[in-house]
Order: sequence, then structure tokens, then C-alpha cells
Amino acid sequence: DQQVKQNSPSLSVQEGRISILNCDYTNSMFDYFLWYKKYPAEGPTFLISISSIKDKNEDGRFTVFLNKSAKHLSLHIVPSQPGDSAVYFCAASGVGTYKYIFGTGTRLKVLA
Amino acid sequence: NAGVTQTPKFRILKIGQSMTLQCTQDMNHNYMYWYRQDPGMGLKLIYYSVGAGITDKGEVPNGYNVSRSTTEDFPLRLELAAPSQTSVYFCASRRTSGSGTDTQYFGPGTRLTVL
Repeated sequence: DQQVKQNSPSLSVQEGRISILNCDYTNSMFDYFLWYKKYPAEGPTFLISISSIKDKNEDGRFTVFLNKSAKHLSLHIVPSQPGDSAVYFCAASGVGTYKYIFGTGTRLKVLA
Repeated sequence: NAGVTQTPKFRILKIGQSMTLQCTQDMNHNYMYWYRQDPGMGLKLIYYSVGAGITDKGEVPNGYNVSRSTTEDFPLRLELAAPSQTSVYFCASRRTSGSGTDTQYFGPGTRLTVL
């Protein structure tokens, strides 16, 4: 049972355009969501997060939107840069838990 | 401040061999985690620890064992390696502020192949 789903395995975007990565979850007890970025042969690195009490969080070129009624979150990158090419994982955790549940990742390729 | 370090970076094992994947963090984090990532898949939690002497199973613990004798170290043991354990293994640690909003910091990974 995949509680966190990233249905797009890959995405290609032109440099300077917006990249939108999507993530859906099924567990209504999740209250904290994160996005991680992973380059080849490296561990994932934290990018941005959002608590369920918010519907938007912004950090520079990165914005995460949360739609709790739809159990959906998205990561917007604008403008996209070639250095953003990586695999992006969304993750979720619930109240009082120590664990994060990860999605399967979306490979973003930003074309110069 | 090295963060989370993992050794070895690569390893090839024969079926039935055993090995220990090492993980050390220097951030004084209470929580530590072991994940595996199979091709095209997300990260699956193998084991985690909320402090020295306390460990618990994650989603895919079969075939693995862990121990946590110190805050810094969280080794993962494979006793009888099987081809199904071919994967990339990531260790992570996490500070806990009590707010539930802490992030995990990952090591660079160990690529294990079992033949």
C-alpha cells in the first residue's frame, strides 16, 4: 500500500520555465510534508517542507503547495535551472511518529 | 562537522556472506534511520532508532539487524546476504525539537551488490 505517491516518474522542462512536481498521499493522519532532492551517487538533501496548518511555503525559487482536502501537494520551481536536474522525493510524517514515508521520486531534467 | 558518514561506499558480497554497514553522525541527533532504495523505487525504511539502546523495525526489516550502543553510531548488519538485498543503503539522522518539524540528514549511501 503506497501511502505517498508520485505518479510522474520523469519530467522535462526548459530552462527558465516553471517545474511542477506532484505528490499525492492517502493517510489523513499525515501532518508534515517534505521535499528532498537527490543527485546521482549522493544522499537525498532536504529542500523544503510544509506543515498541515499551512497551504503554502516559499523559499527562494521553491514553493510547496498543500491541498489537504485533495491530499495533494506540489513543488513549484521557478525559474528552473539546469542545476535543478535531479530526482525529487516527497515524504510525509504523522503526529507523534518518528518515521517518514517516501514517494518513489520524480526525475526532473531541466534543458538548457 | 562531517554530518552523516557511511562506510563502505561500495561492496560486492557473495550469497550467504555477512557484513556490517557503518553509519556515524556527529550532530548529536537522537533519531537515526536506515533506508534502502531499489531502482525506480522510493526509500524504504529498514530500521530506526530513537536513542542509544532503542531500536525498532521499519517497513522492510527482514534479513537485517541493528544496534545502537552510542548516540553517534548506528550499524546495519546483514547476516546471510541474498540477491534481494542488492540495493543502495542510506543512513539518516534527525534532530528532534518536539515540534515534529525536523528534517532528516542523509549520508552518501552504500551501494551493495549480492551475487
